[in-house]
Amino acid sequence: GAVVSQHPSRVICKSGTSVKIECRSLDFQATTMFWYRQFPKQSLMLMATSNEGSKATYEQGVEKDKFLINHASLTLSTLTVTSAHPEDSSFYICSARDPQGGSPLHFGNGTRLTVT
Amino acid sequence: QKEVEQNSGPLSVPEGAIASLNCTYSDRVSQSFFWYRQYSGKSPELIMSIYSNGDKEDGRFTAQLNKASQYVSLLIRDSQPSDSATYLCAVRHYGGATNKLIFGTGTLLAVQP
Repeated sequence: GAVVSQHPSRVICKSGTSVKIECRSLDFQATTMFWYRQFPKQSLMLMATSNEGSKATYEQGVEKDKFLINHASLTLSTLTVTSAHPEDSSFYICSARDPQGGSPLHFGNGTRLTVT
Repeated sequence: QKEVEQNSGPLSVPEGAIASLNCTYSDRVSQSFFWYRQYSGKSPELIMSIYSNGDKEDGRFTAQLNKASQYVSLLIRDSQPSDSATYLCAVRHYGGATNKLIFGTGTLLAVQP
């Protein structure tokens, strides 16, 4: 089945630094990828939709200058958390839809970000 | 009103019993519905998808959809301790240039051995 790879799985950084998270579709081309964030005991909240070759579409309340998304190829999208603060500590999950496989989303394994 | 609502639980069932998980949604034009299972600290994995009214069975899992009442449910037969997880209901929104998947808050299922 379709596989989405996300890296790193866990990162700890100091406040004020930037962190880049990569999301790759391994066996299909994804023109659209989605970035979610999940705080403990809460559901997945869509942050932005990443479109290959164009600007990402951000959900209301998500700062596009803080969460930089780049979708430079059909198999790679990156999320950069700039000037991270402790309140950015969360579980970040990317997902993509296999256009050959229909509607379901396939999720990466997630990145646990801890900002100290 | 939240777009996708689920009882947070925990729902506790004994091993071997049927677990029934429910979800309601607010957008009448939603047409695609999904159930994901999420273990603690892991990302969600797709369990079932359902697109038309009625029941859809896959192994021990049955998804039920009633568009008129705007609810979708998931039944797990012969529940096993390994089924203990958070079950997320997701609804696809059609609109604009992209289709968004909106998640409920999830129901925590605990299967007691």
